[in-house]
Amino acid sequence: GAVVSQHPSRVICKSGTSVKIECRSLDFQATTMFWYRQFPKQSLMLMATSNEGSKATYEQGVEKDKFLINHASLTLSTLTVTSAHPEDSSFYICSASYRERGNTEAFFGQGTRLTVV
Amino acid sequence: DAKTTQPPSMDCAEGRAANLPCNHSTISGNEYVYWYRQIHSQGPQYIIHGLKNNETNEMASLIITEDRKSSTLILPHATLRDTAVYYCIVRVANSGGSNYKLTFGKGTLLTVNP
Repeated sequence: GAVVSQHPSRVICKSGTSVKIECRSLDFQATTMFWYRQFPKQSLMLMATSNEGSKATYEQGVEKDKFLINHASLTLSTLTVTSAHPEDSSFYICSASYRERGNTEAFFGQGTRLTVV
Repeated sequence: DAKTTQPPSMDCAEGRAANLPCNHSTISGNEYVYWYRQIHSQGPQYIIHGLKNNETNEMASLIITEDRKSSTLILPHATLRDTAVYYCIVRVANSGGSNYKLTFGKGTLLTVNP
């Protein structure tokens, strides 16, 4: 299957600072990327959908000014958590899809563990 | 996307088959059944998907009932490394944009015991 890489895998930051998480599709062009968040012992919750070259679509309840998403190329999407607070500590996961097959699976990154202290 | 219902947890002995059920009684005719799994602290991993015919790949088999209201994921010879949360998801199989969106339920925690 296709490979999606996230960086960093773990990050610890101070409250009030911003953190950028990268999601790269290594061997395919991702027309659409998704960002999920997962709190301990809970399922993945979709935060936003980003299409290359256009603005991201955020799920209800997700602050677009706090979670900035940029999908500038077909292989890279970034999620920036601005002015992070301890309640933003979570496991952030991206996934990527491409349009070549009508019902292809989505490929997931390995996730980023964010801890805000 | 249609909702799915899965048991919260299951146990299986190493080397035996693991059969994970999923109910999706409100599935539409154009929705596929997808299975993913998530090993602790990792991103989800695709396992298999199908529409109405049974499917098999190197990881698992997917059995879908004739009325498509339920399905079973079968891991033929479970190993300790198969311990994970297994998610059954149904979604429309159109191409492009938000139709690739996956809505995760709570899944089934499969524990493979030695």
